[in-house]
Amino acid sequence: KAGVTQTPRYLIKTRGQQVTLSCSPISGHRSVSWYQQTPGQGLQFLFEYFSETQRNKGNFPGRFSGRQFSNSRSEMNVSTLELGDSALYLCASSLFREGHYEQYFGPGTRLTVT
Amino acid sequence: GQQLNQSPQSMFIQEGEDVSMNCTSSSIFNTWLWYKQDPGEGPVLLIALYKAGELTSNGRLTAQFGITRKDSFLNISASIPSDVGIYFCAGDRNSGGSNYKLTFGKGTLLTVNP
Repeated sequence: KAGVTQTPRYLIKTRGQQVTLSCSPISGHRSVSWYQQTPGQGLQFLFEYFSETQRNKGNFPGRFSGRQFSNSRSEMNVSTLELGDSALYLCASSLFREGHYEQYFGPGTRLTVT
Repeated sequence: GQQLNQSPQSMFIQEGEDVSMNCTSSSIFNTWLWYKQDPGEGPVLLIALYKAGELTSNGRLTAQFGITRKDSFLNISASIPSDVGIYFCAGDRNSGGSNYKLTFGKGTLLTVNP
C-alpha cells in the first residue's frame, strides 16, 4: 500500500508570497493532519481534517489555512509568507481502528522563505 | 502550547549498548506514541501505547505507558548503527476518537558509534 505522499518536496519562496502544499493520504485514511517542524519549536500541530471538515486547529495565525477534498487529499496554504515560516511541513494521515488512531507521516515539504 | 518534556536531548553510545529515553508531562495523555525520524524524512511510527501501564515491544524496542498517564519511556536494546536518528515521543490527550491532535516532545538525537 502506498504511503503518504507530499508535493512538492522542496520549495523556495520570497517574503510576502503565498504557497500551497499538497498531501495525498494513505488509501482508506480519512483523517489528515498537518504539522510544522522547526529546529527551535520542534513539531507543532497546525490542523486536522476529517471528511472535508476541519476538526482541530493549533495555535497558528490565520495566514495558515487548509482544506480537504472528497477523496481525502488535503492542501495547506500559507499567505503573506514570513522568514519564520521556513520549516519542514509534514502531513500525516490517520486511520481509526479498534478504538484508536494510527498516524503515519509523509516525507514532508521543505519550505525556505527568503 | 502544551509540550512534552523529552530527555535526554542527545545521546552518543557505542554499538551494542542499550539506550533509554523518556517523556514526561504535567498533563494526562490517553495515547503515547514513539516515532523515529531520519534526515530528510518524516517520522516513522515505532510503537503505540493506549493503556496506562501497557508495556509493548517491537523487535529490540520496548516502550511503556506510565501508570500515572503522564510519562512514557522507550528502550532500545543492543543498539546498531542504523538506530541513528531522532526519536520523538508524542501524546494525544483526547480519547474516544472524536478528534485527533498530537503533542510532540523535542526529540532525542541518538548517535551510535560502530
